[in-house]
Amino acid sequence: GDSVTQTEGQVALSEEDFLTIHCNYSASGYPTLFWYVQYPGEGPQLLFRASRDKEKGSSRGFEATYDKGTTSFHLRKASVQESDSAVYYCALSDGGGSNYKLTFGKGTLLTVTP
Amino acid sequence: NAGVIQTPRHKVTGKGQEATLWCEPISGHSAVFWYRQTIVQGLEFLTYFRNQAPIDDSGMPKERFSAQMPNQSHSTLKIQSTQPQDSAVYLCASSPYSAETLYFGSGTRLTVL
Repeated sequence: GDSVTQTEGQVALSEEDFLTIHCNYSASGYPTLFWYVQYPGEGPQLLFRASRDKEKGSSRGFEATYDKGTTSFHLRKASVQESDSAVYYCALSDGGGSNYKLTFGKGTLLTVTP
Repeated sequence: NAGVIQTPRHKVTGKGQEATLWCEPISGHSAVFWYRQTIVQGLEFLTYFRNQAPIDDSGMPKERFSAQMPNQSHSTLKIQSTQPQDSAVYLCASSPYSAETLYFGSGTRLTVL
């Protein structure tokens, strides 16, 4: 079945550091890829998505580029802030008949200290 | 727009008791989803309704879990004979269509003692 792998379980940075969270996927079809962010006590909320090879998604200074060749969708931000501290999830939806079902990675806890 | 509303926020049950979780999706959204979130398994798909009709319940443990959507303004997830391994945060989400953009509620944290 489909799967999403996030390499980093936890990332600790200082404000203004560069962020990279690695996401690789395995899917039989041509999936749509997502990044969600979850703050304490809340449900996940969509950061952005991409549905085609080489498409870049972006929001709030975060960005990721769909790379079908390396099956990756790595999240990056040039300069993190303390308010970015949260759990980040990479996810995919099957491009085929089950395109309503999201498969999530295990999540990456980002902690940013001032 | 109040977002997806889930009640209660926290629920504690004893082993073997029943738990009913409620979800009010965003008005006008035709798709409603239930997910379960645990430390070990992460976010897992449970079930999906479209226009109130059950479409896919492949993620639901068959014997004790059931979900319904009696009208467009609410859905329920019922767990019979709760077990400690059912302890999790249960998240409801809605979408205008399919999974292109899910709007999650804040979840119900279920603790089974």
